[in-house]
Amino acid sequence: GIQVEQSPPDLILQEGANSTLRCNFSDSVNNLQWFHQNPWGQLINLFYIPSGTKQNGRLSATTVATERYSLLYISSSQTTDSGVYFCAVEADSWGKLQFGAGTQVVVTP
Amino acid sequence: DSGVTQTPKHLITATGQRVTLRCSPRSGDLSVYWYQQSLDQGLQFLIQYYNGEERAKGNILERFSAQQFPDLHSELNLSSLELGDSALYFCASSVSASNQPQHFGDGTRLSIL
Repeated sequence: GIQVEQSPPDLILQEGANSTLRCNFSDSVNNLQWFHQNPWGQLINLFYIPSGTKQNGRLSATTVATERYSLLYISSSQTTDSGVYFCAVEADSWGKLQFGAGTQVVVTP
Repeated sequence: DSGVTQTPKHLITATGQRVTLRCSPRSGDLSVYWYQQSLDQGLQFLIQYYNGEERAKGNILERFSAQQFPDLHSELNLSSLELGDSALYFCASSVSASNQPQHFGDGTRLSIL
């Protein structure tokens, strides 16, 4: 099956810093989604981004489907950005998502 | 608030028992997905329903079953529970069966003692 690799596995940021998270996938996909799992365990859909670039406040994402990767940018990080960021790909026509292992982000005041 | 409702939030039970997890999708969503999140396996797709019909199956154990009812809510039944079934179980929904954003409920945390 398709492999989804995220890097780095862990990231510690000082409040106000910028960062980039990466997601590589091993085969062509129908779409890619980014999620944030907050410290309470809730999974929030940040972006549905099969290709191109999208922005939502301080977060933006870019997917280059032809090169099989996606990037999530966090700018001016805040403590509320802490949690685990997952990318997930839909590799077939059935809708099921294949998740990466996640990037654990800790933002310190 | 994603609009996806899962109950109960927490469930504690013993090995060998059977439990039912319930999910109500967002209004207007026809597709429901179940995922399991455990420390060793990460987030794994279990099963998908679309408008009442099973559409895709992942690594779902034979001891687990699910269904989607005419009002589109879904239930995941877990039987003959083992310690290894302890996990966070998520339900997600989307408008159609594929190529749509999936929105997740808050999950049911299942603990097997």
